[in-house]
Amino acid sequence: DSGVTQTPKHLITATGQRVTLRCSPRSGDLSVYWYQQSLDQGLQFLIQYYNGEERAKGNILERFSAQQFPDLHSELNLSSLELGDSALYFCASSASSGGHTEAFFGQGTRLTVV
Amino acid sequence: DQQVKQNSPSLSVQEGRISILNCDYTNSMFDYFLWYKKYPAEGPTFLISISSIKDKNEDGRFTVFLNKSAKHLSLHIVPSQPGDSAVYFCAATPPVTDKLIFGTGTRLQVFP
Repeated sequence: DSGVTQTPKHLITATGQRVTLRCSPRSGDLSVYWYQQSLDQGLQFLIQYYNGEERAKGNILERFSAQQFPDLHSELNLSSLELGDSALYFCASSASSGGHTEAFFGQGTRLTVV
Repeated sequence: DQQVKQNSPSLSVQEGRISILNCDYTNSMFDYFLWYKKYPAEGPTFLISISSIKDKNEDGRFTVFLNKSAKHLSLHIVPSQPGDSAVYFCAATPPVTDKLIFGTGTRLQVFP
């Protein structure tokens, strides 16, 4: 158990809909990261938050947004969903921001858009 | 543009032998490298890391080697065990950041 909790584990929704994925980081970790893993692909970095503020942005679509709340949990909002958004979405957390620290991953949310 | 590449999608090794997983990167600014292991239906689990100021780091059966001039790193598992069967991801971080840039993974199968 990594200590990172993601809900829900599975989500099936229709095209055009909006969903929210939730992540609770390990106790004490200030950084939260979101990654997307599509079929047969590596993990693509989407966005990082550190102590409530956006710290780094990757290949995140404009239809996607995220935030980190004062209690440090984070939500990833995906809107106007398309079939191609079907993927595993992982949240990870780490203690620091600034390099040389490993991140701990949750079990992921499998999103299926039909 | 794939900055971290794992060119072998799969590897099959007999139990007790050495497993060698390879990873290449294109960005010479990367200064920290990690290996993660992933079982089905689970998130990636951190395995071992190496800083760019070193060329080797060892942790039990796992050793990571870094060749900066070749922009290449490898993970050695000795001896390999059936429980090591998983997908292994190589990852790199640019300086002053800890976002991870992952390769596409290598599926390792260790058979008896």
